[in-house]
Amino acid sequence: GQSLEQPSEVTAVEGAIVQINCTYQTSGFYGLSWYQQHDGGAPTFLSYNALDGLEETGRFSSFLSRSDSYGYLLLQELQMKDSASYFCAVPSIYNQGGKLIFGQGTELSVKP
Amino acid sequence: GAVVSQHPSWVICKSGTSVKIECRSLDFQATTMFWYRQFPKQSLMLMATSNEGSKATYEQGVEKDKFLINHASLTLSTLTVTSAHPEDSSFYICSTKGVDYGYTFGSGTRLTVV
Repeated sequence: GQSLEQPSEVTAVEGAIVQINCTYQTSGFYGLSWYQQHDGGAPTFLSYNALDGLEETGRFSSFLSRSDSYGYLLLQELQMKDSASYFCAVPSIYNQGGKLIFGQGTELSVKP
Repeated sequence: GAVVSQHPSWVICKSGTSVKIECRSLDFQATTMFWYRQFPKQSLMLMATSNEGSKATYEQGVEKDKFLINHASLTLSTLTVTSAHPEDSSFYICSTKGVDYGYTFGSGTRLTVV
């Protein structure tokens, strides 16, 4: 089976940088994804890492180390609108055609 | 591309009644739809996987007779919560594989059973 662990909550101030970690245990690994979900809304896709290293998309970056079964999401220049829950997720089969398994989520609070 | 429309956004029903939730893929054909349930401050828990033209696959612990899933066409998947009870009150959301590496989600349905 698959399990993912991430911190339950993180607090940071506007303009700061925050890192949300995710460790995973999977029977097969087909990449690590990150999703953002605002309260009452649907999750939205942020990033995907299949190989080791850093992927950058604007203010958000995601890192993966397959040897450590570890990844993180880095949010820079935090804004109030970044307050949301962030989930790491893994697909169950290759090419992400299978079901997506989510971590417990990290609630990020951005303070002025 | 890969837009999923989910209806209704919210519904209040009486205990013992049934509620149908629809998810439509608007600009593509979704052969597979995933249905999740999310309780407040918790993660998304996969309930079942529906495939067009075949029976849904339910996750362990999910009652298939209570949560009826139909995927009769490539653009429509439905979840019916039968004989709903207050403990079924939750946020239900559908999802399918998008055109890139991400999955796309419907807007979710907030179900309240009174």
